[in-house]
Amino acid sequence: GAGVSQSPRYKVAKRGQDVALRCDPISGHVSLFWYQQALGQGPEFLTYFQNEAQLDKSGLPSDRFFAERPEGSVSTLKIQRTQQEDSAVYLCASSPTGLAGGTYEQYFGPGTRLTVT
Amino acid sequence: EDQVTQSPEALRLQEGESSSLNCSYTVSGLRGLFWYRQDPGKGPEFLFTLYSAGEEKEKERLKATLTKKESFLHITAPKPEDSATYLCAVQAWSQAGTALIFGKGTTLSVSS
Repeated sequence: GAGVSQSPRYKVAKRGQDVALRCDPISGHVSLFWYQQALGQGPEFLTYFQNEAQLDKSGLPSDRFFAERPEGSVSTLKIQRTQQEDSAVYLCASSPTGLAGGTYEQYFGPGTRLTVT
Repeated sequence: EDQVTQSPEALRLQEGESSSLNCSYTVSGLRGLFWYRQDPGKGPEFLFTLYSAGEEKEKERLKATLTKKESFLHITAPKPEDSATYLCAVQAWSQAGTALIFGKGTTLSVSS
């Protein structure tokens, strides 16, 4: 079956440009997560959606970062006025249940590598 | 503050040389502990979930164990294809308890 897909796989942006990163979760998965992974580090949580509701955005590093999941499936992470420190791999993950559904593993996509020059 | 520390940062083994990776954690209330494998240029691949102290899970040459303070990933008779970064993560019973808190990972290299 199809896993989590992300596009583009690589993105080069000039400082100050806006970027949009797309995530297609596993079909039917309720929960969707965005993580940021710097080189040599583990992934760090950015934001969480349960269906179309953004229930946690505590990990977003600044107000330049915005995420949406308008129909409860595909999600987009947008970064406005990109800075060099935004360079990282952005990972999307999905999980079959929501907050009340117990503990379930998260399935990750391949990530989008963003380089800001 | 919930935290995960993995050791060693890097590990080099000969093919067939068994060893263990450590994951120490502090968390307000453990909902689950997860092990992932990550190959270069790819997203983390799920391996195991452990929920309570004393629990063990196995998959091929890998065995994960859990105590109240740490988890071990035991690798028996590793092969070169086991080379990867192994990530440990915890999920806590907190207000925003679905996010995974990751360690920095252990990079394993297995030579033939």
